Amino acid sequence: TQLLEQSPQFLSIQEGENLTVYCNSSSVFSSLQWYRQEPGEGPVLLVTVVTGGEVKKLKRLTFQFGDARKDSSLHITAAQPGDTGLYLCAGRRGGTSYGKLTFGQGTILTVHP
Amino acid sequence: GAGVSQSPRYKVAKRGQDVALRCDPISGHVSLFWYQQALGQGPEFLTYFQNEAQLDKSGLPSDRFFAERPEGSVSTLKIQRTQQEDSAVYLCASSRTQGSSGANVLTFGAGSRLTVL
Repeated sequence: TQLLEQSPQFLSIQEGENLTVYCNSSSVFSSLQWYRQEPGEGPVLLVTVVTGGEVKKLKRLTFQFGDARKDSSLHITAAQPGDTGLYLCAGRRGGTSYGKLTFGQGTILTVHP
Repeated sequence: GAGVSQSPRYKVAKRGQDVALRCDPISGHVSLFWYQQALGQGPEFLTYFQNEAQLDKSGLPSDRFFAERPEGSVSTLKIQRTQQEDSAVYLCASSRTQGSSGANVLTFGAGSRLTVL
């Protein structure tokens, strides 16, 4: 059973379209992070959200943390081919002192020119 | 170095062989994590070190998996008697602190891709 469920699992869109990726859980997280991973590379951190209801923007990317800190979304406006990659959400729960991350299964995004 | 370095980048092993995967974290980073990532999936936690102490090995799939970090810097993940289901990318990540705050940023290496034939 996946602690963090991401949807959709695959997304194939045309350049210029908007998209939203969802990350849902029945558990509460103290913080949630979004990563982007390209083939042959490790995940690279995009953003960390900590407060319920928090919204953060990174150029064309908007990240939101749910009020109850159980879910999050990533919205991309006017997608570009360079946005292609595997998007991962990852959460930290309060049970460990060292910040163990639990990842979702990922969303593979392909943006066609 | 500037980033987390992992070697080898690619390893092909015959079923039953032992393999060793190396991780060089960022200098001075206290925390070190190992994750296993199947193709097209999210990473799954294997084990955690704080300096040389292995504080959590709850994610290791079996007793064939063993990790060490004897001097609190370089870490090695060893898999004995490899099986086909061990085929995956093994990611190492390090962070400067050991805290659980959102500000504790993990830096990942590029991973070691293991293929067991």
